[in-house]
Amino acid sequence: AQSVTQPDIHITVSEGASLELRCNYSYGATPYLFWHVQSPGQGLQLLLKYFSGDTLVQGIKGFEAEFKRSQSSFNLRKPSVHWSDAAEYFCAVGAANDYKLSFGAGTTVTVRA
Amino acid sequence: DTEVTQTPKHLVMGMTNKKSLKCEQHMGHRAMYWYKQKAKKPPELMFVYSYEKLSINESVPSRFSPECPNSSLLNLHLHALQPEDSALYLCASNYGDRDTGELFFGEGSRLTVL
Repeated sequence: AQSVTQPDIHITVSEGASLELRCNYSYGATPYLFWHVQSPGQGLQLLLKYFSGDTLVQGIKGFEAEFKRSQSSFNLRKPSVHWSDAAEYFCAVGAANDYKLSFGAGTTVTVRA
Repeated sequence: DTEVTQTPKHLVMGMTNKKSLKCEQHMGHRAMYWYKQKAKKPPELMFVYSYEKLSINESVPSRFSPECPNSSLLNLHLHALQPEDSALYLCASNYGDRDTGELFFGEGSRLTVL
């Protein structure tokens, strides 16, 4: 069974500083990996996804993530954080022909001025 | 149209009420999902409909009753709920068994049970 671990429950970062959110997964085959963001009171928005190919993927809102098979990781990064990036971030792993998407516990990002 | 639309956005109901949540998509997706999400927690899968048939029920109590009248519409009927059922209910969709797992989420219906 697949599983996802987000080691950081809460991260506080200054506006303009860089951000990195960690995600480790466990899955027997090649995983499909996702990062979603959820602003307070909103639904989940897909930031980026990895299925195959280039291990560095670009997403929306200036985010990128790197797939490292050797480390079973899919960490999310942003070079310069904006106050609007304050939100809950969820890493998720899925697979072809599998309806179930396994979510990590989430990381809350707080942006200070 | 790349949206999943959920109504109502907010719902307050008593424990003896009967209400329904509605979800609609016009992306041609053949799989539709209900998730329940508590504050600061990840979404928890409740039900999956594939080609208008219930394919997954994650042992959800019978006070939650899903319905998929057609490939674009998904309902969640609520009856005799408990206060602990208060949560954000998210609908999602994708192409199903030929998909890559990517889900398209609605904005959610926030349910409060008094």
